[in-house]
Amino acid sequence: TQLLEQSPQFLSIQEGENLTVYCNSSSVFSSLQWYRQEPGEGPVLLVTVVTGGEVKKLKRLTFQFGDARKDSSLHITAAQPGDTGLYLCAGARYGNKLVFGAGTILRVKS
Amino acid sequence: DVKVTQSSRYLVKRTGEKVFLECVQDMDHENMFWYRQDPGLGLRLIYFSYDVKMKEKGDIPEGYSVSREKKERFSLILESASTNQTSMYLCASSGGHSYEQYFGPGTRLTVT
Repeated sequence: TQLLEQSPQFLSIQEGENLTVYCNSSSVFSSLQWYRQEPGEGPVLLVTVVTGGEVKKLKRLTFQFGDARKDSSLHITAAQPGDTGLYLCAGARYGNKLVFGAGTILRVKS
Repeated sequence: DVKVTQSSRYLVKRTGEKVFLECVQDMDHENMFWYRQDPGLGLRLIYFSYDVKMKEKGDIPEGYSVSREKKERFSLILESASTNQTSMYLCASSGGHSYEQYFGPGTRLTVT
């Protein structure tokens, strides 16, 4: 069974601080995705990483896929209240399915 | 933009009732999914469909069934609702061999 472990489970920071969320597994994934979910809404895809060692940037968000394609991280620079939400990583399984981590709840206080 | 809609945002049902959750997508996607989301557990796959009338069990199918009579519509059925099925239910779709899933807003189901 492929499992993804996310850490930390909960993060509460002040506006302007930096943070990193981790997603780890003992399994290799062909690709990994990060989603953000706001209260009362479904998850929205932020990025897909495919190549080991790949780094993608989306404004203040930096996503990295581990060299061995077993782990990933999401780094947010100068967090803003609008970044508040649940961040989920998801790894590709056979048959177009995903396995999701439990999520990291981020709260950015102004 | 892909749009996935779910029939209800909030639903309250009694134990033993039959419950239908409907999901419709407007992007002609082949794949559709039903998940439940519980605090600390993330999203768990209930059922998956890769074509009309085709379905595949996910990780937690017990107590659920699905129906896909039309490509754009995927229904989740709780034959006899139980309190442990109180949860947030999310529908998603994806195209062809893509892993990128598009989610609906979710239905928060409470079974009393």
